[in-house]
This record gives sequence, structure tokens and C-alpha cells, in this order.
Amino acid sequence: DSGVTQTPKHLITATGQRVTLRCSPRSGDLSVYWYQQSLDQGLQFLIQYYNGEERAKGNILERFSAQQFPDLHSELNLSSLELGDSALYFCASSPRSLGGRSSPLHFGNGTRLTVT
Amino acid sequence: AQSVTQPDIHITVSEGASLELRCNYSYGATPYLFWYVQSPCQGLQLLLKYFSGDTLVQGIKGFEAEFKRSQSSFNLRKPSVHWSDAAEYFCAVGGAAGNKLTFGGGTRVLVKP
Repeated sequence: DSGVTQTPKHLITATGQRVTLRCSPRSGDLSVYWYQQSLDQGLQFLIQYYNGEERAKGNILERFSAQQFPDLHSELNLSSLELGDSALYFCASSPRSLGGRSSPLHFGNGTRLTVT
Repeated sequence: AQSVTQPDIHITVSEGASLELRCNYSYGATPYLFWYVQSPCQGLQLLLKYFSGDTLVQGIKGFEAEFKRSQSSFNLRKPSVHWSDAAEYFCAVGGAAGNKLTFGGGTRVLVKP
């Protein structure tokens, strides 16, 4: 168990809808990262937050947004969903922006999103 | 830009045989290198990491990896594979604090009895 909790585990929704994925980082971790894993794109970095502030942005669509709350949990909001958004969405956490020398990213088990 | 290439999409190995997974990276500065394993319906578990120092690093589950700067490689090895090692393996590269991890495309390992 990595200590990173993601909910829900599975989500099935229709095109055009909006969903929210939730992540609770490991206790004491300040950084949260979101990744998307799909068959054609592999593991793609979406966005990183550090202690409530956006720290880095990757291949995140404008329809997607995220935030990190004062209690350090994070939410990834996906709107105007398309079939191609179906993927496994991972959250990871680390104590610092990258994690320092001894603290790499620790991943949750992911949320599998299916858009029909 | 940083990138990671895992040339082998699939590898099939017999139980008890040795395993080597290839990873080549591109990074402008000193890289931080990682190997993760993903079992079916599971998240990514860290196997090992390299930051600096000894170029041969030991990880969990009997895995090791060797950093070769001249070849920009960080290959993962295991002397004797167990059936439970069947999974997908990802190599990743990162840099100084604040940088994201970039993952390779993964190598799926099948273990024959």
C-alpha cells in the first residue's frame, strides 16, 4: 500500500459530462501529481501541485483542471468528456516538488474512467 | 526535453531464467532514474531509483539496475524470474526538484512456467 488514496476506483459516464477524481496523498507529502495512462499515449504527466499551488503543467487539456486544497488532497476535474478521455488516471505524491533524493513519487491505484 | 525509450514492448521469459529490460533516456543534466512496476489493476510500485553514486543500484523483489552515463541507459535486471514478476515495467527520468517524471512506454513481461 503506497498510502496514496484515489476515489472512485471506477467511473462510467457519458460524453459531454463532467466528473471529479479525488486524491489523498500520503501523510506528510506536499506534492501531488496527476498522470493519465491510455493505450495509445502511455503514461502522460498532466499537472503537479505543491502545497496548494500549481507547480508544473504537462499535456493537460483545457477541459481538464485540478486543484489542491488546504488539507493537501487534490481533485482533478474533467469536463465535456469525449470518448478519447477514457483512461486510467493516476495520482502520485511526494514530500517535495520532485521528492528529493530519497523520496520519489508514490502512486495510488488509479481511477479508471470509461466514457460511453 | 527529457524522454525515455523502452525498446522492448513485450518480453517472454521462462520462470527461473534471467531478465533484462532496456531503458534509454535523454536528459540535459544529471538525471534521476527510476523503475516502476505495474501489476494488473494495480498502481505503480517503485522498484528502485538512482540519484548519484554507485551506478549499480539494488531494489525490491531482487531487482537491480545499472546506470551507464556513456550509453544513456538504465537497464533493469533480475537473475531469476518468478511467475509473480509478470507485469508491466516502466522506466522514468526526472531532474532537479520541481521537475516531473517522464515515463517510457513500458515493457510487458510474460513469465512461462
